[in-house]
Amino acid sequence: SQQGEEDPQALSIQEGENATMNCSYKTSINNLQWYRQNSGRGLVHLILIRSNEREKHSGRLRVTLDTSKKSSSLLITASRAADTASYFCATDFNDYKLSFGAGTTVTVRA
Amino acid sequence: NAGVMQNPRHLVRRRGQEARLRCSPMKGHSHVYWYRQLPEEGLKFMVYLQKENIIDESGMPKERFSAEFPKEGPSILRIQQVVRGDSAAYFCASSGARGREKLFFGSGTQLSVL
Repeated sequence: SQQGEEDPQALSIQEGENATMNCSYKTSINNLQWYRQNSGRGLVHLILIRSNEREKHSGRLRVTLDTSKKSSSLLITASRAADTASYFCATDFNDYKLSFGAGTTVTVRA
Repeated sequence: NAGVMQNPRHLVRRRGQEARLRCSPMKGHSHVYWYRQLPEEGLKFMVYLQKENIIDESGMPKERFSAEFPKEGPSILRIQQVVRGDSAAYFCASSGARGREKLFFGSGTQLSVL
């Protein structure tokens, strides 16, 4: 069954603002990943955070993981028009199967 | 470009026809995964293959769907006697090793069944 659930479903922000989205999951994980999908394209891996990590940064991205609450957040700072996309969290279902949420659609207005 | 290549990008079939979707993994990758995405939804796991072997097909419908990853050539996802409900985007991903690390995705095949 699907593990990750993103919140909110959709987010509209002004260019330069920060965007925050959350992911909750049900069972224990080894790692959690975030992917981006531009309209009509495949998913692009953004960042992976392991279960023993609490926070990770990559450029303008910041991911947190709280295993006690079974939740993660993705923060995009100083958003740009090019950040307009859908963002998915994925949890490892077993040692090869990823389970994806329904995603958060982010629209960055110029 | 040594990324994951999928073709065709768009495939239109009439009900009852067969659909064949192809996926060439990244160079050096021997693990292939197929996912299906319906509009406004996340990706749903279908099947995981290693060269010449199906490791897990638990996400694939028992009837009409089959997948292969031969020793030579691309991985093929085959859907026989398509129905309207098969209309979706089908994504292939590959990895260099079995494990929980990141996947590299192709651009997908959009299947439309008329």
